[in-house]
Amino acid sequence: TQLLEQSPQFLSIQEGENLTVYCNSSSVFSSLQWYRQEPGEGPVLLVTVVTGGEVKKLKRLTFQFGDARKDSSLHITAAQPGDTGLYLCAGLKSGGYQKVTFGIGTKLQVIP
Amino acid sequence: DSGVTQTPKHLITATGQRVTLRCSPRSGDLSVYWYQQSLDQGLQFLIQYYNGEERAKGNILERFSAQQFPDLHSELNLSSLELGDSALYFCASSVEGMSTQYFGPGTRLTVL
Repeated sequence: TQLLEQSPQFLSIQEGENLTVYCNSSSVFSSLQWYRQEPGEGPVLLVTVVTGGEVKKLKRLTFQFGDARKDSSLHITAAQPGDTGLYLCAGLKSGGYQKVTFGIGTKLQVIP
Repeated sequence: DSGVTQTPKHLITATGQRVTLRCSPRSGDLSVYWYQQSLDQGLQFLIQYYNGEERAKGNILERFSAQQFPDLHSELNLSSLELGDSALYFCASSVEGMSTQYFGPGTRLTVL
């Protein structure tokens, strides 16, 4: 059982469409991160959200951390083929040393 | 390019064998993390080292071991390999225990 559930697991959309992917947990995290991973490469950090209710924008990407710090969402506006990749959320728990748990990811394909 | 290097890029071996994966962290980073990524389990945290000492352990099997050397590079040793050990193995590094992790390009291990 995954501590962090991501949905949907697969998403195929047309260029220009909007989409939202979700990351849910029953656990509270001190912060939550979103990564993007392309085939043959390691994950690259997109954003870290720390405060419950926090919203961060990165160009066409909007990240939200739930009020209770158990869930998060990533919304992409006007998706581009370059957005194609695996989107991973990762929950971090404080307490000495970094303990990070990754979700299984959402595989996004944006069709031109 | 994250600045983290991993060798080899690909490794094909047989069941029962032993392999060593190598990771060089970004210049100045003291923490090294090892992850295993498979299709059904996603990215699983294995182990973390900080300045040569083990700091946190995740879902690492007893057949697996790691170490971080005085020059801060790290090696992950996998022994008595099984078919199920086939996966991508990523190394990540960070300045200290709670800061942003930078991932290497990974080693793809195939056990036949």
